[in-house]
Amino acid sequence: DAGVIQSPRHEVTEMGQEVTLRCKPISGHDYLFWYRQTMMRGLELLIYFNNNVPIDDSGMPEDRFSAKMPNASFSTLKIQPSEPRDSAVYFCASSPPEGAVTGELFFGEGSRLTVL
Amino acid sequence: TQLLEQSPQFLSIQEGENLTVYCNSSSVFSSLQWYRQEPGEGPVLLVTVVTGGEVKKLKRLTFQFGDARKDSSLHITAAQTGDTGLYLCAGDNNAGNMLTFGGGTRLMVKP
Repeated sequence: DAGVIQSPRHEVTEMGQEVTLRCKPISGHDYLFWYRQTMMRGLELLIYFNNNVPIDDSGMPEDRFSAKMPNASFSTLKIQPSEPRDSAVYFCASSPPEGAVTGELFFGEGSRLTVL
Repeated sequence: TQLLEQSPQFLSIQEGENLTVYCNSSSVFSSLQWYRQEPGEGPVLLVTVVTGGEVKKLKRLTFQFGDARKDSSLHITAAQTGDTGLYLCAGDNNAGNMLTFGGGTRLMVKP
């Protein structure tokens, strides 16, 4: 079975440019999460969706960040304009309904973003 | 925000040695998970513990959830080079399927 698919795997861009990260969750999973991982701050939850609806976006750093989930099989995380401090690995994860009990998240391989 | 503190942050040992890593919080969690992350990959779930005092074994790995459900430990017996990775604990505060992750313990097992 295909796992969580993220693209691109690596992105290098210049400050001020728009960045769009993409995620395809595992089919049948109704929760989708966006995390950011850095050495300094570890793994931070940015936003999560349930049945395509954003439930909690309190982790989104600022208005430059936005996330959408237009359907059950696709989500995007957009940064506009990007800044060097946004450099990190961005993970998408999904979980089935029972994940609310087991806490099992299925992570993608991540998108490594470097903003110069 | 509930904080999960992991210790040690870094651990370098020889193959065959035993080790224990810790995950502590001042908050109570309804469940706690341990994940392992290898370079270039996302975290992968190892185990979930739910009941205070619970002990789970996964081959050479033993996981324990504290009686008060505020802390957990992971013990590895006879470490192997394949155990190298970042070990993350995560707590579920039962508030809408949100996991809080600890800062991780980076383990290196040398041959």
